[in-house]
Parts: sequence; C-alpha cells; structure tokens
Amino acid sequence: SQQGEEDPQALSIQEGENATMNCSYKTSINNLQWYRQNSGRGLVHLILIRSNEREKHSGRLRVTLDTSKKSSSLLITASRAADTASYFCATDITGTASKLTFGTGTRLQVTL
Amino acid sequence: EAGVAQSPRYKIIEKRQSVAFWCNPISGHATLYWYQQILGQGPKLLIQFQNNGVVDDSQLPKDRFSAERLKGVDSTLKIQPAKLEDSAVYLCASSLRSEGDDEQFFGPGTRLTVL
Repeated sequence: SQQGEEDPQALSIQEGENATMNCSYKTSINNLQWYRQNSGRGLVHLILIRSNEREKHSGRLRVTLDTSKKSSSLLITASRAADTASYFCATDITGTASKLTFGTGTRLQVTL
Repeated sequence: EAGVAQSPRYKIIEKRQSVAFWCNPISGHATLYWYQQILGQGPKLLIQFQNNGVVDDSQLPKDRFSAERLKGVDSTLKIQPAKLEDSAVYLCASSLRSEGDDEQFFGPGTRLTVL
C-alpha cells in the first residue's frame, strides 16, 4: 500500500518559476527521502530529511518536514526544462526494518 | 562508478508464460531491492536482500514470483505464470548498507507487458 500521497498529482510551470510539491504520510517515520524519475528511467535520490530535522537545502532544492502534520514539501527554485520529471517522496517507517515506502508521485512539466 | 545494470530493458509475453529479470548491483553494495512500478503509481517493494539473505518479502506474491541473489551479488526475479496485472516496470536498486537512511541507487528498469 502507498504510505505517501503527493499533491498535486500534476504540475505545469514555466521555466524560471518555483515548483512546490507536497507529501503527506500516515505513520511515524525515521526519515523521508525525495526521488526524481525522468520518463522511462530509474529513480535518482535527491535529498533526505530526518524526523528530527525541519528544513534542509541542497542546491535549488528545499525540503521541509512537519512531523506533527505528517507532511513534507519539496521546493524547486528557478526551475529548468531539465527538471521535468516525476517526483516521489519515500518514507522510512518506524519499525519496518529500514524499508522505503514510496508515494504516488507528482508529475512536473517545465515549459520554456 | 558503474550503476545498477538490468536486463532485458523490455519484455513482452503472453499470460501464463514465465519471465525472468536480471540485476547486477553496484559493486560492494550489500543490499539489493526489487520494486514493481505500475503505470501512474510509485514503486512498491517486492523483496529486499542483504547479501544473499532475504530481509523483507512481505509484498512478494509468492505463488507466482520468486527471487534469488546467489553469492550476494547478482539477482534474478522470476514470474511464473504471468498474469495481465503483472504488466509494470520492474526496478532493481542497491544500497551500500541496509539502513533506512541509505541512498538507494536504481537501475533503468525492465518494462514488462503481459498480453
């Protein structure tokens, strides 16, 4: 079963704009990771945020985590056409022997 | 550093036939994962190996799916017999350890179509 639900399911923006996607989950987690999947390719790890962290940055990526609301957000600033992909959150659920459970994904389209 | 290799990239079979997928993880990675990704959904873990032992196979349909990781390196995933609902991309991933904060490295996947 899917632990995480991403919102929105699809997002279309123009190059240079910021893109924000959200992930909600149901149970207690050790950490939450974000992955990117380009069309027809495998997934690529973007960033990990631990349950005791509230915000993390990596280049143009900013991730927040609110464990009280069981939600996370991924912000991509100054988007580029190459950012066009599907983005998934994955949770390491407490007590599940370090197994990642992926969400349903957000499909991001960045147009020129 | 070479990435995770998978073969074949595409496979088309008829229902009730059998099929096998192969994965070669990144050298030195102890943990290997097989995921099933149905169109429009996120990957679902089928089985997780640490070296050549199974850590988690709770979501593997054991009546038709089997997997092995001989010698703790390469792995094969088999489906016998295949059903229409098995049409999906099968992703292999590996990580250095089996900790929940490990980065997983994914292969390109095998796209299976069952007719």
